[in-house]
Amino acid sequence: DGGITQSPKYLFRKEGQNVTLSCEQNLNHDAMYWYRQDPGQGLRLIYYSQIVNDFQKGDIAEGYSVSREKKESFPLTVTSAQKNPTAFYLCASTNGQWADTQYFGPGTRLTVL
Amino acid sequence: KQEVTQIPAALSVPEGENLVLNCSFTDSAIYNLQWFRQDPGKGLTSLLLIQSSQREQTSGRLNASLDKSSGRSTLYIAASQPGDSATYLCAVPKDSGYSTLTFGKGTMLLVSP
Repeated sequence: DGGITQSPKYLFRKEGQNVTLSCEQNLNHDAMYWYRQDPGQGLRLIYYSQIVNDFQKGDIAEGYSVSREKKESFPLTVTSAQKNPTAFYLCASTNGQWADTQYFGPGTRLTVL
Repeated sequence: KQEVTQIPAALSVPEGENLVLNCSFTDSAIYNLQWFRQDPGKGLTSLLLIQSSQREQTSGRLNASLDKSSGRSTLYIAASQPGDSATYLCAVPKDSGYSTLTFGKGTMLLVSP
């Protein structure tokens, strides 16, 4: 089945640690996105990538980093510079056109201990 | 800057009722509008995508309408069922960026048996 997978489902981070969230898609989509969801605040865009080896900052990129070395993969690193990383992280993809539906993964819940 | 508002924030209805969820946006120059469903602790599932040239889009018991001039969209759910209980989000493309979306905060729907 085609879709988006995210791992792990739950992630715990100690203060000062960097952690990496995985996102893989087998939909052959060009564009991939990372969102953060907090209770009562809706989804906010962290980073997005339209094509391999290229990515742009979203609305809340500070404290996060990404890479796009392969079309199917778009990992997100939450660095120690992110002061309040506890949230639900969602990865999405489209084939890149304005008209296309955006498909989402199941999410990773990150908790800072 | 595009802003998306959803009213009501929460809605509780008995099974079998027809209901309407509302979404408004500030910049009417949108390319399309998407409605999503999110179950607790899960990713988003696309329900309907309405192109700017369309006024309605239907899928089963769901009907979404779009009025660009007034900056409004509605999601109509016919004969609601307990399985419809979820959070419903609408999203439109941002004022800049490639397929990046601005989301409303969602309407949390509870359908009681």
